[in-house]
Amino acid sequence: DVKVTQSSRYLVKRTGEKVFLECVQDMDHENMFWYRQDPGLGLRLIYFSYDVKMKEKGDIPEGYSVSREKKERFSLILESASTNQTSMYLCASSSLTGPSSYEQYFGPGTRLTVT
Amino acid sequence: DQQVKQNSPSLSVQEGRISILNCDYTNSMFDYFLWYKKYPAEGPTFLISISSIKDKNEDGRFTVFLNKSAKHLSLHIVPSQPGDSAVYFCAASGRDDKIIFGKGTRLHILP
Repeated sequence: DVKVTQSSRYLVKRTGEKVFLECVQDMDHENMFWYRQDPGLGLRLIYFSYDVKMKEKGDIPEGYSVSREKKERFSLILESASTNQTSMYLCASSSLTGPSSYEQYFGPGTRLTVT
Repeated sequence: DQQVKQNSPSLSVQEGRISILNCDYTNSMFDYFLWYKKYPAEGPTFLISISSIKDKNEDGRFTVFLNKSAKHLSLHIVPSQPGDSAVYFCAASGRDDKIIFGKGTRLHILP
């Protein structure tokens, strides 16, 4: 089974702090994604990566950056946390090829609260 | 602009009956469609998918129907069970490996 793990389930940070959210997948997937989920807004793509050291902006990249130094690990960075970044953050991975390449596998999510 | 629309934020269905969740899309370049299920405090889990070359895909109690001319797909769950209570996300993908998600429909299965 594909396993995607996220470093924290719940996180509370103060406004202005630098926040790191870590994601690790164990299926050798090429693609990794970061989403945020907010009530009434569904899942919105923040950043994604097709390969190591490669990143692409999603729909809402402002205020975020990412790092992918190893294939299995994809980090989301909030440079200076703000209250409007309070949200559920979801990491996902998918294979680049094969019949299941469209299917993304999600981690359990990190509920981040910025006070 | 929303490329994937789920116009019903919530739906209540009696246990044992059929649940029908609907989804519309606007981008004719989408060639793969997926449904995900999400419980509170958990990540979404893949449920069922359909390629644009098909009009129906079935997996146990779950069936997805695709009407390309209407740019509409639906998820049928029959019979509905209490464990089906969750948020269901419709999603679509083109050729860039990105998935566009709808806003979700919360399904309540009533005893």
